[in-house]
Amino acid sequence: DSGVTQTPKHLITATGQRVTLRCSPRSGDLSVYWYQQSLDQGLQFLIQYYNGEERAKGNILERFSAQQFPDLHSELNLSSLELGDSALYFCASSVHGVAGVGEQYFGPGTRLTVT
Amino acid sequence: DAKTTQPNSMESNEEEPVHLPCNHSTISGTDYIHWYRQLPSQGPEYVIHGLTSNVNNRMASLAIAEDRKSSTLILHRATLRDAAVYYCIRSNAGNMLTFGGGTRLMVKP
Repeated sequence: DSGVTQTPKHLITATGQRVTLRCSPRSGDLSVYWYQQSLDQGLQFLIQYYNGEERAKGNILERFSAQQFPDLHSELNLSSLELGDSALYFCASSVHGVAGVGEQYFGPGTRLTVT
Repeated sequence: DAKTTQPNSMESNEEEPVHLPCNHSTISGTDYIHWYRQLPSQGPEYVIHGLTSNVNNRMASLAIAEDRKSSTLILHRATLRDAAVYYCIRSNAGNMLTFGGGTRLMVKP
């Protein structure tokens, strides 16, 4: 158990819809990262927040957005969903504000299926 | 641009040591070497990371070549629970972790 929690575990929705994925980081961790894992693209970094502020952006579509709240939990919003958005979405947290120099702890993921 | 090169798969016997190689010949002086693993149906799990010196923790050891162009993750006694995809990642301060294809480790009883 990494200490990172994600809800829901599974989500099935239709094309064109909007969903919100939630992540609670480990106690004391200020950084939250979002990743997408699909069969054809592997594990890809989407976005990082540190203490409420956006810190870095990766391959995140304009239809996707995220935020980190004062209690440090984070939400990833996916809108105008397409079949290709079906994937596992992972959240990770770290104590570091700077990625790449320390460990990240990953949650169990949310499996999104778009039909 | 593949930053690291790993074998696609490796096999090991239970209770034997496993050496997982990683080539990172274009590594810069400030790049860290990270190892994560992903068990089936789970999120990636941090294993170990280092910069220049060899590193040990409760899970594994990381041996870094003197020229830093390669490294080896060592699992001292493989168990069935170590069967996973192991990712070797090089990353610098401010850079995001870029996961490649990794090495799928199979452990035989």
